[in-house]
Amino acid sequence: KQEVTQIPAALSVPEGENLVLNCSFTDSAIYNLQWFRQDPGKGLTSLLLIQSSQREQTSGRLNASLDKSSGRSTLYIAASQPGDSATYLCAVTTVGSSNTGKLIFGQGTTLQVKP
Amino acid sequence: KAGVTQTPRYLIKTRGQQVTLSCSPISGHRSVSWYQQTPGQGLQFLFEYFSETQRNKGNFPGRFSGRQFSNSRSEMNVSTLELGDSALYLCASSLGGWGNENTEAFFGQGTRLTVV
Repeated sequence: KQEVTQIPAALSVPEGENLVLNCSFTDSAIYNLQWFRQDPGKGLTSLLLIQSSQREQTSGRLNASLDKSSGRSTLYIAASQPGDSATYLCAVTTVGSSNTGKLIFGQGTTLQVKP
Repeated sequence: KAGVTQTPRYLIKTRGQQVTLSCSPISGHRSVSWYQQTPGQGLQFLFEYFSETQRNKGNFPGRFSGRQFSNSRSEMNVSTLELGDSALYLCASSLGGWGNENTEAFFGQGTRLTVV
């Protein structure tokens, strides 16, 4: 059974810092991994999709890496801004017919960037 | 290009009542998945529909059901509401090619259900 863990659960940093969020998963047989952002009471915004055959993806100040064999992904945020304050969630799509259409989520990392 | 639309955004219902939530996926997307989000359990998968067929179902009681129409719009129904059903319900749409590593899920803004 796939399990996804995110560390740390919460993070508070001053503006301008570079930071790393961690995501680990127990079953390395995945199709892809997605990073999402969620603002309080809102839906999820897709940030990056890393295919299982890829090692990393970049979008602006965000860079996500994937090490499928070790079951780990990291989301790197450069030069953090107060507007980056949100909860960041990672989710995997696992191989297997019983996993069709199902994302397995971590519990999220709540980030606060102080001005 | 319009995103995923969920209606209504907020609902307040009484225990024992039933509720229907709606999700309109991105144009061209044929897969719709539903998730329940609570502070204690996080995001949990309810079910997924593709071309009007349920392809997968999570571990929720039979009070939770859904359907998908020919235009890919989906509805989720919860009968005999319990206090514990209070949650943010999110739907996600994708092209539907699960098994394809390019498949990306896009979420709506959610429906906040409060059961009193």
